[in-house]
Amino acid sequence: QSALTQPPSASGSPGQSFTISCTGTSSDVGGYNFVSWYRQHPGKAPQLIIYDVTKRPSGVPDRFSGSKSGNTASLTVSGLQAEDEADYYCSSYAGNSFVFGSGTKVTVL
Amino acid sequence: EVHLAESGGGLVRPGGSLRLSCAASGLAFGDAFMNWVRQAPGEGLEWVGRIRGSPNSGTTDFAAPVKGRFTISRDYSKTTMYLQMNNLVPADTGVYYCVTQYGGSFESWGQGTLVTVSS
Repeated sequence: QSALTQPPSASGSPGQSFTISCTGTSSDVGGYNFVSWYRQHPGKAPQLIIYDVTKRPSGVPDRFSGSKSGNTASLTVSGLQAEDEADYYCSSYAGNSFVFGSGTKVTVL
Repeated sequence: EVHLAESGGGLVRPGGSLRLSCAASGLAFGDAFMNWVRQAPGEGLEWVGRIRGSPNSGTTDFAAPVKGRFTISRDYSKTTMYLQMNNLVPADTGVYYCVTQYGGSFESWGQGTLVTVSS
């Protein structure tokens, strides 16, 4: 199972928005509505921020939103804040297995 | 609140074995689907495998790179999950996270334990 494709980096100024793409295949992203997104700060464990493509866990602000079209999922973060500087990973169920994205390093300018 | 605590990491030579533990609290352990996710130094996340909760308790799935070398088990009395790793290779080096599964996502994460495979 190959890793899902994400852009290696993204950046934005405080208050701006950015979107990260996550491209897979019909066997993972396109085949199931089980795409999730994680934010990982350096030296810390990842944190779930989006699940089931569009849903936010309790406590995650509505600045974070998710979507999917075909084999590509997207995470949008609006109102960028300093704490959003981190690595972001997508993940998809792939039929009795899971696959992660290659990761995107987000820099807040 | 769910709390997961991994232990058992360390330095092991290629071809060796290691058993990781994940002590869980704050959840219905018997019903929980539990996973292992690893991260090589400076690299991304990689799903390793899982053990199902009810109603298919005890059945497991593994990623291709570890299938046949790794096994997962759970002790219900100790609410602890184990990852038995055999025939380790340098590519198995990384931080191993214990993670609960909620539907198709990874909900709660432990702090991780570092495994280093090196001669």
